[in-house]
Amino acid sequence: SQKIEQNSEALNIQEGKTATLTCNYTNYSPAYLQWYRQDPGRGPVFLLLIRENEKEKRKERLKVTFDTTLKQSLFHITASQPADSATYLCALDMSTGGFKTIFGAGTRLFVKA
Amino acid sequence: DAGITQSPRYKITETGRQVTLMCHQTWSHSYMFWYRQDLGHGLRLIYYSAAADITDKGEVPDGYVVSRSKTENFPLTLESATRSQTSVYFCASRTANTDTQYFGPGTRLTVL
Repeated sequence: SQKIEQNSEALNIQEGKTATLTCNYTNYSPAYLQWYRQDPGRGPVFLLLIRENEKEKRKERLKVTFDTTLKQSLFHITASQPADSATYLCALDMSTGGFKTIFGAGTRLFVKA
Repeated sequence: DAGITQSPRYKITETGRQVTLMCHQTWSHSYMFWYRQDLGHGLRLIYYSAAADITDKGEVPDGYVVSRSKTENFPLTLESATRSQTSVYFCASRTANTDTQYFGPGTRLTVL
């Protein structure tokens, strides 16, 4: 069966360290993968999109990698800050412009000052 | 810049009642979506719409009805609410040219 797995346990790190979140998937061949941030009581907010032919994408302190052989994406936040504390969702799409975005359940990140 | 809004933000209803959740976006995005979010599950697609008067089922459409008579509005109706429909509902939209979705703030629905 098709599955997206994100670490259900919360990730606790110290301010200034790099946070690394994992998204694994099985039985999908996504055209692209997105990462969203969700704060309590709010809707998800888009952060980064990476396509199947891209290995890495960066935006400020954020970096995403996409390994279609391992069926895994890693999401890194460097020099983390308490304001980065949130739940991070990964999402897969099977085709560009499609309507079947599949979301993972998310990983909660806590950054301690 | 209002973006995408949902109303009500919180709703408590009883089993068997009809409930309508509203979604309004000011960007004239072609595509709109309804998701539900439950603990332990990712966002699950209920219905989506590619344009006014064009709607289609997502992963979990049973018990829900949608309409889209105007581009900016996409209401979701629970015709006869059940306890299993207790959830947080998110509306989202995007343009035809991008793959990024923009989400509303959500509606927390409790069915007693």
